[in-house]
Amino acid sequence: NAGVTQTPKFRILKIGQSMTLQCAQDMNHNYMYWYRQDPGMGLKLIYYSVGAGITDKGEVPNGYNVSRSTTEDFPLRLELAAPSQTSVYFCASSSLRGQETQYFGPGTRLLVL
Amino acid sequence: KNEVEQSPQNLTAQEGEFITINCSYSVGISALHWLQQHPGGGIVSLFMLSSGKKKHGRLIATINIQEKHSSLHITASHPRDSAVYICAVGANFGNEKLTFGTGTRLTIIP
Repeated sequence: NAGVTQTPKFRILKIGQSMTLQCAQDMNHNYMYWYRQDPGMGLKLIYYSVGAGITDKGEVPNGYNVSRSTTEDFPLRLELAAPSQTSVYFCASSSLRGQETQYFGPGTRLLVL
Repeated sequence: KNEVEQSPQNLTAQEGEFITINCSYSVGISALHWLQQHPGGGIVSLFMLSSGKKKHGRLIATINIQEKHSSLHITASHPRDSAVYICAVGANFGNEKLTFGTGTRLTIIP
């Protein structure tokens, strides 16, 4: 099992550009999450999904969109990138509920200039 | 005020020392997680607990639900334990969302 994979590892965007952060898991987990981690701050939940076709907003959803067309994939879309979106983004998954162990991807470092 | 507070923020210790990292939370929870973030950035789940104590190798996690407090202990610390340790809580049973602390940066000096 590869676990949770994320691409790209690192990306530089110009203000106003758009991009999609990819996340995939091969553990047949229903629950998937997107977090951002800013320096000195705890992880913040952006969006989450409890299964294919079902997504919901987390704590900091503005400027982002997600989709969940399959159990395996949970891409995060940034539209009109802003410097405030400079962060490290982590995707995670868990088998049942958020109360179960979450498995994290390696992260994507995004710099918006 | 953050719902999850960790202390200390930074901790430097000599190899072999007994380490304690604390986590306090302000809401009722159904589960508390301890995570380890390596210097390279990867995050690994260490423990999930809702009562009592769990042990894995040199790591021990305890939780006191009444006092809303958890501790992570490392015995016989080693330089490879150097990492950021993160506490996270799930507020209500069935709630998918976790609230994270800001982490404790641990450095073990040989």
